[in-house]
Amino acid sequence: QVTLRESGPALVKPTQTLTLTCTFSGFSLSTSGMCVSWIRQPPGKALEWLALIDWDDDKYYSTSLKTRLTISKDTSKNQVVLTMTNMDPVDTATYYCARIPEAANGMDVWGQGTTVTVSS
Amino acid sequence: SYELTQPPSVSVSPGQTARITCSGDALPKQYAYWYQQKPGQAPVLVIYKDSERPSGIPERFSGSSSGTTVTLTISGVQAEDEADYYCQSADSSGLWVFGGGTKLTVL
Repeated sequence: QVTLRESGPALVKPTQTLTLTCTFSGFSLSTSGMCVSWIRQPPGKALEWLALIDWDDDKYYSTSLKTRLTISKDTSKNQVVLTMTNMDPVDTATYYCARIPEAANGMDVWGQGTTVTVSS
Repeated sequence: SYELTQPPSVSVSPGQTARITCSGDALPKQYAYWYQQKPGQAPVLVIYKDSERPSGIPERFSGSSSGTTVTLTISGVQAEDEADYYCQSADSSGLWVFGGGTKLTVL
């Protein structure tokens, strides 16, 4: 059974750096074609794609956020970490991670999401 | 930046057919994906590679593509299909993007 779980602080202050961890099971990020992505959703708003890392450690970032994002993986721990610098109240959102078994197959399994509020 | 355009809302009666469109300049060259999201839940993939249906997704969900527009069709809509639907694809550089979402209301 494939599962993903997001974890991280529920509250961060403006200008701080957010670090989120996606811990997964049921698949390996060392398998050829496998990818993990991060997506967020502000309250009442649309989904926004943030970043993706693949089995070969290639990394892709949203054009609008790429200067603030870093994605990395620890294959031995089955974890993918996303950091976002210089947090602002507009970054308040539910953050999801999702698996992509092969690049063209879409995000087939999602975590339940973790809510992050940015406030002083 | 690249955008995918969806209608904000679509309404249908039970048993009718719902069609939700998604438009984007790169769609002729990039696959489209559709996700269903119910309140308080994570999104669920319902269509991938324009028209493929993941296992476990009912046959009433189908996808199609024509030029710069892709369409999610739900035939014989049921009350449980009421949800937000998002298309997702990639720009010319291969970076992903979501549409603004469409709220499907079953009257």
